[in-house]
Parts: sequence; structure tokens; C-alpha cells
Amino acid sequence: QVQLVQSGPEVKKPGASVNVSCKASGYTFITYYIHWVRQAPGQGLEWMGMINPHGGSTSYAQRLRGRVTMTRDTSTSSVYLELSSLTSDDTAVYYCATYNAAVIGFDMWGQGTMVTVSS
Amino acid sequence: DIQMTQSPSSLSASVGDRVTITCRASQTIAHYLNWYQQKPGKAPKLLIYAASSLQSGVPSRFSGSGSGTDFTLTINSLQPEDFATYYCQQSYSTPPFTFGPGTTVDVK
Repeated sequence: QVQLVQSGPEVKKPGASVNVSCKASGYTFITYYIHWVRQAPGQGLEWMGMINPHGGSTSYAQRLRGRVTMTRDTSTSSVYLELSSLTSDDTAVYYCATYNAAVIGFDMWGQGTMVTVSS
Repeated sequence: DIQMTQSPSSLSASVGDRVTITCRASQTIAHYLNWYQQKPGKAPKLLIYAASSLQSGVPSRFSGSGSGTDFTLTINSLQPEDFATYYCQQSYSTPPFTFGPGTTVDVK
């Protein structure tokens, strides 16, 4: 079964960092770039960045540069999102998704990880 | 960066209605436009890719059209499971992969 499974919810204090994982299964891991998209409560979708599982190259949204790091582990078919210097504005559901160039879109999504930033 | 807008931001409709949602890009994006459906508490789901191609498994009552800067998502004969929020997204000039602000379809 082709799927992305994410780690569980997190509660963090302002100024802390959070790590969210996304484990791929059911397909060849290096086939598709994996992207991260977040959604603040009651808000729309915000693209955060992407990682190429094959070589590990990354590209980040300009407004998050300096605070976001995406990595991958090919031995476990997993990608990781680290976001640092958290503020309440980072409270959101974080999704990983595969970008399929054949459909020029995000055709598989993880279940989402709720990150709450609160003092 | 390319900006995406959608109209309306929300609409009320009844089962059986025909619903049309519009998406506009700040500059031409050819046919590099996708539509997603999101239900509360769930991840988005790809409905339409490349402006008018139906993703596998998506009912044929969903259709997309447009090119350049103006695009439309149409739902023919709205079904109870179609009440949701719909987002457009461009894959033409990337990164960033920009999403529209969303259109919520609720029960009239």
C-alpha cells in the first residue's frame, strides 16, 4: 500500500524546535520529491519547501529560510522536517506530500501532524 | 512569486446543484493548475491536474477548464460528500508551489 505516515502530535514552547517525520512505503523512495505543506487553524495551505530524496537537495519557502531544515534517510525511506525558533504563528497541521511530475501535482499526502506552540 | 486568488471564498449549495469555482493566477501559468478537495480534519486530495485532467478515482462530476491565468472547477450535480473546501495550486513557476486561499462549499 502506497502511503506516507507521519509522526504524532507535538506541543512545544515558544523558542523551541520541533521535528516531524514522514515515512514512505509502497513505492521506490527516491522516485518522488517530498514536500511539506502546513495549515494553521482555520486557514489555507502554505507550501514550506521540498526535498529530493535521491540526493537530498532542498528548496525552502523564502519566509521560512533560516528556521527550516529538511533531511532524509534513505535507509528508512523517511524525511524529516525541523522548524526552529517556534512562535505561536507556527501552530498548524504539518503535511508531507509527494510531488508526481506525471500529474504536476501532490498526489499522495501524509495524515498530518498537529504542532501546537504554547507557553 | 505567482499569486493565486479564488472566488467566491465560500458558497452555499444544495445536493444536485451545479457549482462553479474560479481561480486566477497573477501571471500566466499555461495549464499548470491543480485542484484539491479538503474535508475537515483530513489531508487535501488531488482532484484535477493540469487544469482539466481528472485524477484517477475521482468522480466524473468533477471537471476543470482554463489556461493562462483563468481557471474553473465545476461540480455537476453536487453530492453530499462534496461539501468541502477546494484549493487551486500552481506548478508552473516553482518554487514556491503556490496555493489559492480556498473556497468552502457548504449546505444551503
